[in-house]
Amino acid sequence: NAGVTQTPKFRILKIGQSMTLQCTQDMNHNYMYWYRQDPGMGLKLIYYSVGAGITDKGEVPNGYNVSRSTTEDFPLRLELAAPSQTSVYFCASSYDPPGLDEQYFGPGTRLTVT
Amino acid sequence: AQKVTQAQTEISVVEKEDVTLDCVYETRDTTYYLFWYKQPPSGELVFLIRRNSFDEQNEISGRYSWNFQKSTSSFNFTITASQVVDSAVYFCALRQRNTDKLIFGTGTRLQVFP
Repeated sequence: NAGVTQTPKFRILKIGQSMTLQCTQDMNHNYMYWYRQDPGMGLKLIYYSVGAGITDKGEVPNGYNVSRSTTEDFPLRLELAAPSQTSVYFCASSYDPPGLDEQYFGPGTRLTVT
Repeated sequence: AQKVTQAQTEISVVEKEDVTLDCVYETRDTTYYLFWYKQPPSGELVFLIRRNSFDEQNEISGRYSWNFQKSTSSFNFTITASQVVDSAVYFCALRQRNTDKLIFGTGTRLQVFP
């Protein structure tokens, strides 16, 4: 099992550009999550999904969009990138809700918007 | 509202010292779940422990131990005889029963010097 994979590892965007961060898990997990981690801060939930076709907003969804067309994939779309979106992005998955199952994290994508 | 506070931003110790990382949480629910994650310098998050609110027994795993006290809303993490490999950022997190989301604290950076 590869676990949770994220691409790319690093990316530099110019203000106003768009991009998609890819996340794939091969553990047949129902739940998937996108977090951002700003320097010196904890993780903030952007969006999450409890299954294919179902997504919901987390704490900081503005400026992002997601889709979940398959169980395995949960891409995060940034439209009109802004410097405030400079962060490290983590994708995670779990079979059950947190509490019943741990979340498995991907290695992260470091994004810089200049 | 849910909240997790890790008041210690950074702790430095010398190898073989014991160190305790504090975690204080706020929740109105009687059923909730608490977690600790480790983020080593490589960046990925590693699950350490999950505890539900009905289980106040302390847990020991090798050099790691956790002290859960509902009376003070704390879930502290102690590393005994610390080692350089313990150097990382440690996050405490909380989930209430009726949500699918984790709320993370801001993390404590532990540096263990040889």
